[in-house]
Amino acid sequence: DVKVTQSSRYLVKRTGEKVFLECVQDMDHENMFWYRQDPGLGLRLIYFSYDVKMKEKGDIPEGYSVSREKKERFSLILESASTNQTSMYLCASASASINTNYGYTFGSGTRLTVV
Amino acid sequence: GESVGLHLPTLSVQEGDNSIINCAYSNSASDYFIWYKQESGKGPQFIIDIRSNMDKRQGQRVTVLLNKTVKHLSLQIAATQPGDSAVYFCAENPPGSSYKLIFGSGTRLLVRP
Repeated sequence: DVKVTQSSRYLVKRTGEKVFLECVQDMDHENMFWYRQDPGLGLRLIYFSYDVKMKEKGDIPEGYSVSREKKERFSLILESASTNQTSMYLCASASASINTNYGYTFGSGTRLTVV
Repeated sequence: GESVGLHLPTLSVQEGDNSIINCAYSNSASDYFIWYKQESGKGPQFIIDIRSNMDKRQGQRVTVLLNKTVKHLSLQIAATQPGDSAVYFCAENPPGSSYKLIFGSGTRLLVRP
């Protein structure tokens, strides 16, 4: 069974901490994505990566960075966590052409609370 | 706009009835569409897809209809079961990218026993 695995289901961090969210996929997908999901705002794209060491900003990149050193792993970094970054974070992966491979595969999500 | 959680449109159906969930997409040139199901505490899961050269596609208990004239997608679930309770999202693949998806507004489906 193919999988996208997010390292934590729940995290509680303090304001100002540096936070790492890890995502690993086992499908050899080229593309990986980080979204946040908030009530009333739906899925918003933070960053995505279309190849190792390549990244592009999504719709809301401010306050975040990403790292993709290996094809299977895509990390989201909150440089200095703030309370407005409390959210559900979803990682997804996709092949180079999604219309032959059933779109995105999502992880189970990480619910981050910043206090 | 898009919404998840408290502000979601909600469809409430009786167990055993058919459900119809609607979605308006944004780009008339989009050529591939997907429906996702998101259960509480989980990530979205692929349900069914359809390409723009089709009007209808059927899966197990689910049917997707595509009306390109009015940029409208619908998801029909036959004989709705309690396990179908979830949030449902449509997504479109716009032109110019083979891998980007735009997610539509979610709808919460509640199944009454």
